[in-house]
Amino acid sequence: RKEVEQDPGPFNVPEGATVAFNCTYSNSASQSFFWYRQDCRKEPKLLMSVYSSGNEDGRFTAQLNRASQYISLLIRDSKLSDSATYLCVVGSAASARQLTFGSGTQLTVLP
Amino acid sequence: NAGVTQTPKFQVLKTGQSMTLQCAQDMNHNSMYWYRQDPGMGLRLIYYSASEGTTDKGEVPNGYNVSRLNKREFSLRLESAAPSQTSVYFCASIGLSRGTYNEQFFGPGTRLTVL
Repeated sequence: RKEVEQDPGPFNVPEGATVAFNCTYSNSASQSFFWYRQDCRKEPKLLMSVYSSGNEDGRFTAQLNRASQYISLLIRDSKLSDSATYLCVVGSAASARQLTFGSGTQLTVLP
Repeated sequence: NAGVTQTPKFQVLKTGQSMTLQCAQDMNHNSMYWYRQDPGMGLRLIYYSASEGTTDKGEVPNGYNVSRLNKREFSLRLESAAPSQTSVYFCASIGLSRGTYNEQFFGPGTRLTVL
């Protein structure tokens, strides 16, 4: 079983749609959680951290369920510019400086 | 402030050739990392360096060596390249973002093809 699992997609949605991505992780002692965004042929960039209480940044909402070892990302009112691959990232409890990356979920927002 | 820089951007090698990928960061970060990214596999950690003078193996270290030359620079060496090392290589460093949590900053990547 992979340490961090994501649905690879692709998700093809129309502009304005709401889309949700899910991610599960296997290490119950994980301490830090992130969503990164990676554009085609570019490096990953931090989208947002995920806090236990859930957090929102504009059209993006991230949630963490420690009991189920599950992280989600919700994108409301999708824009064409949201098209990218979204990576779920989990930080080790042993070392906060070691991160495990999911394979990513590909999103295409269609006009 | 250039962030994390990598050279070269592209490279084609023949099986058995050697090369060094260079990485530098100007953010005064202690920790630096080398990853490879393959389709469907996500990012996999090759080696990391928690601080100047230390290096540790990651998930897929075989066939690679690293050098933490100083706080700024962390190089990755392929001594005898193999086609299985065809990949996109990312260097990264980690530091506090917005003063509250560790964020990993990536370089633009090196696309390596081994024939």
